[in-house]
Amino acid sequence: SQKIEQNSEALNIQEGKTATLTCNYTNYSPAYLQWYRQDPGRGPVFLLLIRENEKEKRKERLKVTFDTTLKQSLFHITASQPADSATYLCALTRGSARQLTFGSGTQLTVLP
Amino acid sequence: ETGVTQSPTHLIKTRGQQVTLRCSSQSGHNTVSWYQQALGQGPQFIFQYYREEENGRGNFPPRFSGLQFPNYSSELNVNALELDDSALYLCASSGGGRGGGTVISTQYFGPGTRLTVL
Repeated sequence: SQKIEQNSEALNIQEGKTATLTCNYTNYSPAYLQWYRQDPGRGPVFLLLIRENEKEKRKERLKVTFDTTLKQSLFHITASQPADSATYLCALTRGSARQLTFGSGTQLTVLP
Repeated sequence: ETGVTQSPTHLIKTRGQQVTLRCSSQSGHNTVSWYQQALGQGPQFIFQYYREEENGRGNFPPRFSGLQFPNYSSELNVNALELDDSALYLCASSGGGRGGGTVISTQYFGPGTRLTVL
C-alpha cells in the first residue's frame, strides 16, 4: 500500500543551525511534492512545491530536494530561528482531483 | 491569512448525530477540498468539489457527503457520527480545475473546525 513517512515525530535543533527534515514514500509515483507548515490549532500553510522533473527548489531560507529514484524529499531550513518552530508536513499530489496525500508531520523545535 | 474561512470553530456532538461544517473559499477560487486531521496525524483527503460537482473522493464512507454552491462555498455533512470522527476538519480552496494537465494550483487552507464526538 502507499505510504509516506516523515523522518521523526519531533526534531530539536539549536538556533542558527540548519534543520533537515526527511520525507520518504513507497508505492507511489507523485507528480508533485509539497511542503506545508502547520502551527497548533491552525490550518497548514503552503511553503514550497517541487515537480518530479526538478531536483531542487529554494525560497529564502528554505530548500527542498526531490529524488524520485530514492523516493525521498529533503526539506532544509537554514539559519533556523525559534519562530520556525512548528509541524512540517510533506504532501504528495496525484489523481485528477490533485488531492494531497500527507505524511504525519515532523514537529520542529528551534531552541534559543 | 489565506482568506479561507470555516465555521464553526469548535463543535461538540454525540454519537449518532449529524453535523454540517461550512467553508468559504478564497475569492477567485473555484475548487474546494476537505480533509480530516486526527490528532498527531497528517490531514486525510475526504473529497473535492469543482464548480459544484464532486471531483475525487478519498477513502471515506458515504455518510460523509458534501456540497458546493454557485459562489463556490462548500459544506461537509457527516451523518451517524462515530467517536472516531473526532478530528480537525480542514477546508482548502484552490483555483485549479478538473482533469489532467500540468497546471497545479496551491491549496490554501482554512483554520479548521474542531469536532468532538462524545
